[in-house]
Amino acid sequence: DAGVTQSPTHLIKTRGQQVTLRCSPKSGHDTVSWYQQALGQGPQFIFQYYEEEERQRGNFPDRFSGHQFPNYSSELNVNALLLGDSALYLCASTLYRAYNSPLHFGNGTRLTVT
Amino acid sequence: AQSVTQPDIHITVSEGASLELRCNYSYGATPYLFWYVQSPGQGLQLLLKYFSGDTLVQGIKGFEAEFKRSQSSFNLRKPSVHWSDAAEYFCAVGWFDGGSQGNLIFGKGTKLSVKP
Repeated sequence: DAGVTQSPTHLIKTRGQQVTLRCSPKSGHDTVSWYQQALGQGPQFIFQYYEEEERQRGNFPDRFSGHQFPNYSSELNVNALLLGDSALYLCASTLYRAYNSPLHFGNGTRLTVT
Repeated sequence: AQSVTQPDIHITVSEGASLELRCNYSYGATPYLFWYVQSPGQGLQLLLKYFSGDTLVQGIKGFEAEFKRSQSSFNLRKPSVHWSDAAEYFCAVGWFDGGSQGNLIFGKGTKLSVKP
């Protein structure tokens, strides 16, 4: 049973560039959430996708956008990268509004902006 | 506003000693709570969860946690720590307020070091 998979594992980008991160949810899950974890901090919620729509959004600017595909996989896009966007980006999956279904996390994508 | 506090940034315990990591939350709605563990460079692994019912919950690797509504706390405990428990521990809270289950608020984490 495959868990949550993310790609790539590491990425180095230059300030001002754009980046796309990818996530495949755990088998059987239909909802994907994205989190940003800065060094030494806890993860912060970016947004959540269900049925190919953004359902909830955290306190992140419009430079952060996403997409969910019919097979439930998801992408996180960040435009006009800033140095402060350097972080570990975590994808998590679950069943929508199934409160007994905890989030399952991938190993993350480490983004470095230079 | 919703918030989760883990007051201890770093804790060092001797192998075989007991452990308690603290977690407090604030917000009026009914919470559901988790503890996750993260090894360096890795994602988050679920240790245990509380949604309802018995307030003492058992998790993997010998961990347990107790939900105390009156104290807005969900402390993590282990009776005897092993060297392999060294990692960073995160408390996370969601609320049954009509929002999405995927939007959790995390504490800043407690780094656990284990002395031989």
